[in-house]
Amino acid sequence: KAGVTQTPRYLIKTRGQQVTLSCSPISGHRSVSWYQQTPGQGLQFLFEYFSETQRNKGNFPGRFSGRQFSNSRSEMNVSTLELGDSALYLCASSLEGYQPQHFGDGTRLSIL
Amino acid sequence: AQSVSQHNHHVILSEAASLELGCNYSYGGTVNLFWYVQYPGQHLQLLLKYFSGDPLVKGIKGFEAEFIKSKFSFNLRKPSVQWSDTAEYFCAAKGNAGNMLTFGGGTRLMVKP
Repeated sequence: KAGVTQTPRYLIKTRGQQVTLSCSPISGHRSVSWYQQTPGQGLQFLFEYFSETQRNKGNFPGRFSGRQFSNSRSEMNVSTLELGDSALYLCASSLEGYQPQHFGDGTRLSIL
Repeated sequence: AQSVSQHNHHVILSEAASLELGCNYSYGGTVNLFWYVQYPGQHLQLLLKYFSGDPLVKGIKGFEAEFIKSKFSFNLRKPSVQWSDTAEYFCAAKGNAGNMLTFGGGTRLMVKP
């Protein structure tokens, strides 16, 4: 069974640009969550999508947005990039109910 | 507000030593608890989970954790560590609604051969 796939693996952007990250969940998983991992703040929850609807949202500014498609694939968008957005962005998927989340390898975003 | 804290940021052990990593949580309502491990260059992997029932849960690779509700703790243990256990360990919690995980700050474990 293929795991959670995130693309691209690495991205370099400059301040003010925008970026879109992609996540393909494990087949059959309808819940997709996004997390930001930085050395200073650790792992922080961004948002969760289930059946194309945002179900939970973390404490991030509106520049961070996401969506989920009918095939459960999800995208995350960050607009007007800032230096502090440099991080590893992780996607996780899970089945519904009492099931754990499975994580992808992440997209490492560097802002110059 | 929900929070998870891991008090040990760095732990260095020799092979065959016993391991205990602390995790405390602050959560209103029903809580589900997890330990994840991140080996160098790899993605987060689930070690074990607690949803309900027996408070002593066993996971992969010989790890176990005990849920002590009165202490709001979910400590990770392993009787004898190996060099291959060198990794970063994260404790995480969530409620019953949705999949919003709150992570602790992580503990970097180094096992000396």
